[in-house]
Amino acid sequence: DAGVIQSPRHEVTEMGQEVTLRCKPISGHDYLFWYRQTMMRGLELLIYFNNNVPIDDSGMPEDRFSAKMPNASFSTLKIQPSEPRDSAVYFCASSVSGVQETQYFGPGTRLLVL
Amino acid sequence: QKEVEQNSGPLSVPEGAIASLNCTYSDRGSQSFFWYRQYSGKSPELIMFIYSNGDKEDGRFTAQLNKASQYVSLLIRDSQPSDSATYLCAVFPGGGADGLTFGKGTHLIIQP
Repeated sequence: DAGVIQSPRHEVTEMGQEVTLRCKPISGHDYLFWYRQTMMRGLELLIYFNNNVPIDDSGMPEDRFSAKMPNASFSTLKIQPSEPRDSAVYFCASSVSGVQETQYFGPGTRLLVL
Repeated sequence: QKEVEQNSGPLSVPEGAIASLNCTYSDRGSQSFFWYRQYSGKSPELIMFIYSNGDKEDGRFTAQLNKASQYVSLLIRDSQPSDSATYLCAVFPGGGADGLTFGKGTHLIIQP
């Protein structure tokens, strides 16, 4: 299996621009998670989906962030407009059947907002 | 607010010794506990999980859980330089729709 796939791997953008991060979970996994990691705040859960339905989005920082999962094999995390404080590594993870099942992380997207 | 606390380190341990990593959590009702390892510049990977009080062993790794004291620890026996990484403690609150809460991690260095 190819594992969780994320794109792009690196993104540099200017403040105010729209950023879209993409994730393809492992086939057959029903749960998909979006995390953000910074030195200051560590690894934070932003939102997770079960069977394409958002379950817990309490970690989404503000209205500038939105996430969608139009089908079982694709999800996006969008930031509009981006700000320098959004600079972080964004991870997508998936699991077979639950939050407390093994979560398999993708390689991450390193975002730098100038 | 649910909190998971870890000493950020770095924790320096000589090769072959036992490395002891600790984690405390604030939500007394938490049900499941996980240790993820993250090498520098890489993504986290699960190495251990524990649900019940006591010890759980897997090869050189032992997870210990004490729900009364609200702490969970990870012991690494016969530490190897390849164990040098950041270890993230994660807690599942159980019930409701909450996801995992992660600590900020402990940076472990195994000295050859």
